[in-house]
Amino acid sequence: QQPVQSPQAVILREGEDAVINCSSSKALYSVHWYRQKHGEAPVFLMILLKGGEQKGHEKISASFNEKKQQSSLYLTASQLSYSGTYFCGLGRLTSGTYKYIFGTGTRLKVLA
Amino acid sequence: GAGVSQSPSNKVTEKGKDVELRCDPISGHTALYWYRQSLGQGLEFLIYFQGNSAPDKSGLPSDRFSAERTGGSVSTLTIQRTQQEDSAVYLCASSPRTSGGRDTQYFGPGTRLTVL
Repeated sequence: QQPVQSPQAVILREGEDAVINCSSSKALYSVHWYRQKHGEAPVFLMILLKGGEQKGHEKISASFNEKKQQSSLYLTASQLSYSGTYFCGLGRLTSGTYKYIFGTGTRLKVLA
Repeated sequence: GAGVSQSPSNKVTEKGKDVELRCDPISGHTALYWYRQSLGQGLEFLIYFQGNSAPDKSGLPSDRFSAERTGGSVSTLTIQRTQQEDSAVYLCASSPRTSGGRDTQYFGPGTRLTVL
């Protein structure tokens, strides 16, 4: 079952903050976050592994709550370059096999 | 070093024809993934190769779709008797390690397939 991201879309002014959430109905092993600009391939932002790590990348950070089976991506003081569609990618171990599935996506637009 | 490359970048075909899409992963990467992305939609997992293990084909939408990976490197995704609903961007990604879950996936630029 595909992980659900919220919100589906968000519009920000430059300098504003945003939070994107990713929820799964299954137990998680890892969470990856990617950003995809229009017409381009997804680009890796960060990975969070089981254990509640919080990672950072410039002004973008994320958290991973295993118990709630959720991850959140935090965009601080957004820049025009942050515009794009954000996907979470969730890894699960199922019967010893690793399964990977992307979330529904969140479209983010930053205005000047 | 070179990233993931895919060819062709664009493919227009007629309904009912077969197509082959190619992916060259980053050298040394053991894991290779194929995804499909329809216009304005998310990434749909198709198939996953890990080293010499049998591929995980659980995402292939029908038996018209098949993929192989030769010598643990180059992969080809074949779509037989294409249908209009097959039109999408097909993305390939590779990652370095033998165990899943801990590694970044590096994406290629994709092949845009249009079935007329």
